[in-house]
Amino acid sequence: AQSVTQLDSHVSVSEGTPVLLRCNYSSSYSPSLFWYVQHPNKGLQLLLKYTSAATLVKGINGFEAEFKKSETSFHLTKPSAHMSDAAEYFCVVSERYSTLTFGKGTMLLVSP
Amino acid sequence: EAQVTQNPRYLITVTGKKLTVTCSQNMNHEYMSWYRQDPGLGLRQIYYSMNVEVTDKGDVPEGYKVSRKEKRNFPLILESPSPNQTSLYFCASSLLSGSADTQYFGPGTRLTVL
Repeated sequence: AQSVTQLDSHVSVSEGTPVLLRCNYSSSYSPSLFWYVQHPNKGLQLLLKYTSAATLVKGINGFEAEFKKSETSFHLTKPSAHMSDAAEYFCVVSERYSTLTFGKGTMLLVSP
Repeated sequence: EAQVTQNPRYLITVTGKKLTVTCSQNMNHEYMSWYRQDPGLGLRQIYYSMNVEVTDKGDVPEGYKVSRKEKRNFPLILESPSPNQTSLYFCASSLLSGSADTQYFGPGTRLTVL
């Protein structure tokens, strides 16, 4: 069975500083992994996805994530936070069909 | 414009009054799915459909029904809504049903059951 653990429910950073959102997963197969972002009162937007190609995945808006099989992790990073990055972020795993299992979300707060 | 649409976007109803939330996609996607989002729980899958007339339960199907009579539409039916179904609902679709396929989400329907 697949599962996802987002290690922080809230992360606070200052504008211009790096962002790290942590995600560990569990899967019986070779999973696909995704990060989605949800801005307040908006739907979900795909940031990036890993599908067994390159382990370092680049997404939109300067985000990237690295798949580490030995650590079962898929952490999301960005070198420099922007105020517009304030949102809730979801790590998602899929190991069969298109059934997605979501983490509980990490709220990113960005202060000026 | 390629998109997933949901209607209504907001709905307040009373316990026991049957309701339907519609979902439609214009991308000729085979796979469609419904999720509910609750604070602190992330999104949980209710039902999914891999093609016309093919539906299956997700993680939290109790109290919900779905149908897939046309490829583009995947309505969510609450026969007798209860307050614990108050939630934010998302419909999603993907081209195929592979694990790597990107799912596109609708804007959400906020449902309140009194």
